[in-house]
Amino acid sequence: SQKIEQNSEALNIQEGKTATLTCNYTNYSPAYLQWYRQDPGRGPVFLLLIRENEKEKRKERLKVTFDTTLKQSLFHITASQPADSATYLCALRFSGGYNKLIFGAGTRLAVHP
Amino acid sequence: KAGVTQTPRYLIKTRGQQVTLSCSPISGHRSVSWYQQTPGQGLQFLFEYFSETQRNKGNFPGRFSGRQFSNSRSEMNVSTLELGDSALYLCASSLESLRSGNTIYFGEGSWLTVV
Repeated sequence: SQKIEQNSEALNIQEGKTATLTCNYTNYSPAYLQWYRQDPGRGPVFLLLIRENEKEKRKERLKVTFDTTLKQSLFHITASQPADSATYLCALRFSGGYNKLIFGAGTRLAVHP
Repeated sequence: KAGVTQTPRYLIKTRGQQVTLSCSPISGHRSVSWYQQTPGQGLQFLFEYFSETQRNKGNFPGRFSGRQFSNSRSEMNVSTLELGDSALYLCASSLESLRSGNTIYFGEGSWLTVV
């Protein structure tokens, strides 16, 4: 069956450390993978998009990797801050799927001062 | 420029009633999608509209419907509401381009509670 799995437990880290979130998928062949941030009661906010032919993408303190062989994406936040505390969602998109996204359940990140 | 705007932000309905939610996409965006978010099922795709035509649909019953107007604004309707329809309904818009991989932006959502 098709599945998208993110770290099921909340991730607690100390301010200044690097947070690493995992997104694994099975029985999908996405053309793109996107990461979103969601705060309680708010809509998801787009962070990064990475294509199937890209290995890594960076934006300021954020880095995403995409390994289509392992069927895994890693999302890193370097020099984490308490303001980075939120739920992070990975989402898959497919060629020919237009703008339909398939979401993982999300990982809740808590950055402690 | 203004983001994706959804109205109303909060609403309470009684089981058996129907509800209409509205979405105004980012200016220039012609693709509008709808998602349902619940604690148990997470974010699930409902349907997508482009140029007033539904071009993609998720696995939801026919009670869930939508439409898009010529100005790209969209509405979704849920008829015969059930308690399980209580959720955050999110609208997303995207600038369609010949190169796919365009970014999808979400609104703040409409919180629906069915009692």
